[in-house]
Amino acid sequence: QKEVEQDPGPLSVPEGAIVSLNCTYSNSAFQYFMWYRQYSRKGPELLMYTYSSGNKEDGRFTAQVDKSSKYISLFIRDSQPSDSATYLCAMRGFQKLVFGTGTRLLVSP
Amino acid sequence: DTGVSQDPRHKITKRGQNVTFRCDPISEHNRLYWYRQTLGQGPEFLTYFQNEAQLEKSRLLSDRFSAERPKGSFSTLEIQRTEQGDSAMYLCASSRVDGRETQYFGPGTRLLVL
Repeated sequence: QKEVEQDPGPLSVPEGAIVSLNCTYSNSAFQYFMWYRQYSRKGPELLMYTYSSGNKEDGRFTAQVDKSSKYISLFIRDSQPSDSATYLCAMRGFQKLVFGTGTRLLVSP
Repeated sequence: DTGVSQDPRHKITKRGQNVTFRCDPISEHNRLYWYRQTLGQGPEFLTYFQNEAQLEKSRLLSDRFSAERPKGSFSTLEIQRTEQGDSAMYLCASSRVDGRETQYFGPGTRLLVL
């Protein structure tokens, strides 16, 4: 079993929809949680960084962490075609990041 | 504010050849990480440095792989006697030692072994 599970998608939504992406994890040592966005053939770009359980909002993005359920989510409001990319959840206990497989998101105009 | 840079961006080589990649971290970031990403997968940790010291290596890093960060600034990753299974995107990231230690990634080097 992988330490971090993420549905690979693809997830197809129309422009303006609310998108929900999520990951589950098994390692209780993970304390820091991140979401990265990766466009095709590019490096991952940090979107959100959270430490504790709860919600964190940044513009159209909201990250949610539930440590008791070992479940994290990323919500995207008013999705745009430019949001079409692969979204990677990542988490760490000490130094190295452990990533999910990434969910490919397609937002159609 | 310059980000993490990697060179080359693409490399095609024949099986059995040696290849070397370079990573220049964000200035004043004293931690530097190497990851490998294959198609349809998330990046997997290979190794990391704090300044010039290599502090952790993944079991993915076979004897054919070696990484250095001689002066605590740029880093190189060398693969000897490349195999087709080495074909992947090699990503470099850097961070400060500040509690958050947010890792910022470079654009990656895409390796194809024929």
